[in-house]
Amino acid sequence: GNSVTQMEGPVTLSEEAFLTINCTYTATGYPSLFWYVQYPGEGLQLLLKATKADDKGSNKGFEATYRKETTSFHLEKGSVQVSDSAVYFCALSDSSWGKLQFGAGTQVVVTP
Amino acid sequence: EAQVTQNPRYLITVTGKKLTVTCSQNMNHEYMSWYRQDPGLGLRQIYYSMNVEVTDKGDVPEGYKVSRKEKRNFPLILESPSPNQTSLYFCASSLSDRREAFFGQGTRLTVV
Repeated sequence: GNSVTQMEGPVTLSEEAFLTINCTYTATGYPSLFWYVQYPGEGLQLLLKATKADDKGSNKGFEATYRKETTSFHLEKGSVQVSDSAVYFCALSDSSWGKLQFGAGTQVVVTP
Repeated sequence: EAQVTQNPRYLITVTGKKLTVTCSQNMNHEYMSWYRQDPGLGLRQIYYSMNVEVTDKGDVPEGYKVSRKEKRNFPLILESPSPNQTSLYFCASSLSDRREAFFGQGTRLTVV
């Protein structure tokens, strides 16, 4: 079956540092890949997505590239802010009726 | 405003007392799902629905029921809640499979 593995947290960074969260996946087909973000006390929001190999998703300074050869979708941001403190989830969706397969989530804490 | 609305946001109940968590979306989405979020496990799908009167089990369906009598509503029913169902629950909807999902704000359920 499908699975998503992402690095464990918490990841603690200083403001303006570079952020990378690793995500690798296992899937039988050609899934769509997503990063969702969950701010404290809120639901999940879509951060970015990629639907085919070599696509790059980007939003709010975050980027991730769909790498089929390494089955990865690593999230990066060049200069984080305190407001980026949240839990980040990598997820995939194949044709199985809209089901999202999530990683365990990575908590990111950005300090001033 | 496009949204998924869950109620209640917080609920404390006792073992065995039937409860329903409501979910409604105003985006005319075909797909709706329920997930539970537990520390270290990410989000796991409980049930999903592809359209009115079409539902199926996700990864962790035991102890839960759903119904889809109208396109916009997808309630989650716990007939006899137990403490191991203490969790954070999210409803989500999407336009079709492989598309991004929109999440509700979550329902934090405690069963004592």
